[in-house]
Amino acid sequence: DSGVTQTPKHLITATGQRVTLRCSPRSGDLSVYWYQQSLDQGLQFLIQYYNGEERAKGNILERFSAQQFPDLHSELNLSSLELGDSALYFCASSVGAGLNIQYFGAGTRLSVL
Amino acid sequence: GNSVTQMEGPVTLSEEAFLTINCTYTATGYPSLFWYVQYPGEGLQLLLKATKADDKGSNKGFEATYRKETTSFHLEKGSVQVSDSAVYFCALSSFQGAQKLVFGQGTRLTINP
Repeated sequence: DSGVTQTPKHLITATGQRVTLRCSPRSGDLSVYWYQQSLDQGLQFLIQYYNGEERAKGNILERFSAQQFPDLHSELNLSSLELGDSALYFCASSVGAGLNIQYFGAGTRLSVL
Repeated sequence: GNSVTQMEGPVTLSEEAFLTINCTYTATGYPSLFWYVQYPGEGLQLLLKATKADDKGSNKGFEATYRKETTSFHLEKGSVQVSDSAVYFCALSSFQGAQKLVFGQGTRLTINP
């Protein structure tokens, strides 16, 4: 168990809908990262938050947004969903914002029908 | 930009066979290198890491050496077990104000008894 908790484990929704994925980092970790794993794109970095502030952005679509709350949990919001958004979404956390080991949650599997 | 290339899978071996999974990278500066493992239905777990040239990371019988001259970080294990069946990801991270992991495409390993 990595100590990173993601909910829900599975999510099935329809095109055009909006969903929210939740992540609780390991106790004491200030950084949260979001990654998308899909068959065609592989594992891609989406966004990083550190202590409530956005720190780095990767290949995140404009329809997607994230935030980190004062209690350090994070949410990834996906809107106007398309079939191609179906993927496994991972959250990871680390102690700091720099070169620290990232610990991954078990992921949320999103299916857009 | 930074990138990681892994040998194509899937790889199927018999128990007690020798394993090599090739990984090469392209990066500016001096990245840290990682191997992550993903067991079925689970998130990614850090297997081993190396932070500078000629460092050898090792864990659970797996080893990889950071070779700057060949930009490689090949994963090896002398005698694989059925329980090693998983997907293995090579990744790099270079700190440029923030840390992003860049992953290879993953190699699925199946060990037959």
